[in-house]
Amino acid sequence: ILNVEQSPQSLHVQEGDSTNFTCSFPSSNFYALHWYRWETAKSPEALFVMTLNGDEKKKGRISATLNTKEGYSYLYIKGSQPEDSATYLCARSNNAGNMLTFGGGTRLMVKP
Amino acid sequence: GAGVSQSPSNKVTEKGKDVELRCDPISGHTALYWYRQSLGQGLEFLIYFQGNSAPDKSGLPSDRFSAERTGGSVSTLTIQRTQQEDSAVYLCASSLGSGGASYEQYFGPGTRLTVT
Repeated sequence: ILNVEQSPQSLHVQEGDSTNFTCSFPSSNFYALHWYRWETAKSPEALFVMTLNGDEKKKGRISATLNTKEGYSYLYIKGSQPEDSATYLCARSNNAGNMLTFGGGTRLMVKP
Repeated sequence: GAGVSQSPSNKVTEKGKDVELRCDPISGHTALYWYRQSLGQGLEFLIYFQGNSAPDKSGLPSDRFSAERTGGSVSTLTIQRTQQEDSAVYLCASSLGSGGASYEQYFGPGTRLTVT
């Protein structure tokens, strides 16, 4: 994998459903992986920064895992709510920690 | 506290005109970044400042793009002779420092540029 890739591109779920999506990235020279939530007309909001293989982070109903050896991260949302509707972005940091390479995002829509 | 602010929030300009986009980072943040998202594309890194210096300008898409930062604070991204392919949302971010995973980047709301 040469670039950061996210799947699926978009996802429609019903309120209360749990969901997850994937971020794949080059595993060589890994430094850090960031997850952001970007709601329409707002600033991207930082969710997690992960650096170590096997890292798991949690914030409320949202959690993320990291596998640096195989180059992927999963983001999980438990019991989706309409306010979770947003585009979720992952980004790989370069070795200097001063540039983020973003995936194309997963657009999540939660129906009430 | 105040977050990253950008102005204008929307800009419509005619092809061939110059535009300036402004970013006010969070006070005390020494690192500042510019990104853009073109329609249907992911966020693309443009340039990074540490203090007033930009060590790497290779992300700028052409020589029509330039950026400066003064006083270690406000930054301006200038696009000369705009083209339709410059239409995008331009995002600015800042962080306390750089070179470490603990330096989270905080984003502004963006400037939506439309070149007609």
